[in-house]
Amino acid sequence: EDQVTQSPEALRLQEGESSSLNCSYTVSGLRGLFWYRQDPGKGPEFLFTLYSAGEEKEKERLKATLTKKESFLHITAPKPEDSATYLCAAHGSSNTGKLIFGQGTTLQVKP
Amino acid sequence: DAGVTQSPTHLIKTRGQQVTLRCSPKSGHDTVSWYQQALGQGPQFIFQYYEEEERQRGNFPDRFSGHQFPNYSSELNVNALLLGDSALYLCASSLGPTTDTQYFGPGTRLTVL
Repeated sequence: EDQVTQSPEALRLQEGESSSLNCSYTVSGLRGLFWYRQDPGKGPEFLFTLYSAGEEKEKERLKATLTKKESFLHITAPKPEDSATYLCAAHGSSNTGKLIFGQGTTLQVKP
Repeated sequence: DAGVTQSPTHLIKTRGQQVTLRCSPKSGHDTVSWYQQALGQGPQFIFQYYEEEERQRGNFPDRFSGHQFPNYSSELNVNALLLGDSALYLCASSLGPTTDTQYFGPGTRLTVL
């Protein structure tokens, strides 16, 4: 069964303290790995799409990377406004329309 | 460029009632997917609509049904509401039903009493 697992569940950082969020996936024929940011009570906001192992994408303080089994979201010198829940989702070849989500990592950045 | 919109924002219903949620996709998108997100969990796929037909369905009972209109907007209907149906219902749109990136709306918070 296709599965996506994120770790840690929660992460507290001081402003400027860099770290990484992990997304492990077991998906047959991965056709896309997605990262979203979600603020409390709001819909997920699209961040990145990764398609193949070795691919990297960056946006401001965030960089997403992909291997054959995992994806990482690296946060460099975070600011309090980066506090949110970060969701990872996968598209497999057997589920053409369905995104399989992890449970999310809730990040809190303290000033 | 208008993003995905959903209505209403919040809704309170009692057990056994029926509810209809609405979604308008991002401009240029023709596919709508619906997700249920319980508190503290990741979204769970309900179903996807493309060309006015349900293309794929997740593990949800028949009480959950939907519709897509010619202008690509969509409705999610839930009958015989249960307490466990309380959740944030998210609509996502994309260009095509396959692997294109899905963009989410703000969601509808449904509370069942």
